[in-house]
Amino acid sequence: ETGVTQTPRHLVMGMTNKKSLKCEQHLGHNAMYWYKQSAKKPLELMFVYSLEERVENNSVPSRFSPECPNSSHLFLHLHTLQPEDSALYLCASSQASGGAGYTQYFGPGTRLTVL
Amino acid sequence: SQELEQSPQSLIVQEGKNLTINCTSSKTLYGLYWYKQKYGEGLIFLMMLQKGGEEKSHEKITAKLDEKKQQSSLHITASQPSHAGIYLCGADDSGAGSYQLTFGKGTKLSVIP
Repeated sequence: ETGVTQTPRHLVMGMTNKKSLKCEQHLGHNAMYWYKQSAKKPLELMFVYSLEERVENNSVPSRFSPECPNSSHLFLHLHTLQPEDSALYLCASSQASGGAGYTQYFGPGTRLTVL
Repeated sequence: SQELEQSPQSLIVQEGKNLTINCTSSKTLYGLYWYKQKYGEGLIFLMMLQKGGEEKSHEKITAKLDEKKQQSSLHITASQPSHAGIYLCGADDSGAGSYQLTFGKGTKLSVIP
């Protein structure tokens, strides 16, 4: 499945580093999402972009900064993270319309470890 | 806010056996999604159910949404090692097709050859 790609697949960073996660979708969708998946917790929605505008921001700390330059690309900029931010970060995309068009298709994820 | 409870949390079955995973919501379900996840990887979309009583099948996997639209079940017939993974249900509870899906914690399935 190459509809949604994410890079890098694995990332180890120190608490003072700045890094970025990249997501690209090849499905012609208009909405893109960032999720965080921690051990033994449900997926947590972090950000939603529809038509390149942010429509949801679920009380995410400012050390996470999203960017959506166009409908095919989504970035998550990271700075001064904490060890508890270590998790699998998943990107997803969907059509921006209602009903079944909201089916979200996920990328393979970036496994982030903060030392 | 809506909560989804999946049961069982984990399941170990012998290859060839049938199994069922349940997803129960605290509210009416307007859209219920089933995904499969291999450990540490992304989610693979399986099926989406919207109407009460709806049933969909893909290969040996069948999903149903009950009439009252507060529970869904995923049934695998004649399980194979390739079915192993984590099964997650996700729900849109707004009725209008919102951007936010609530997910359950997942059911980990192991299939023993």
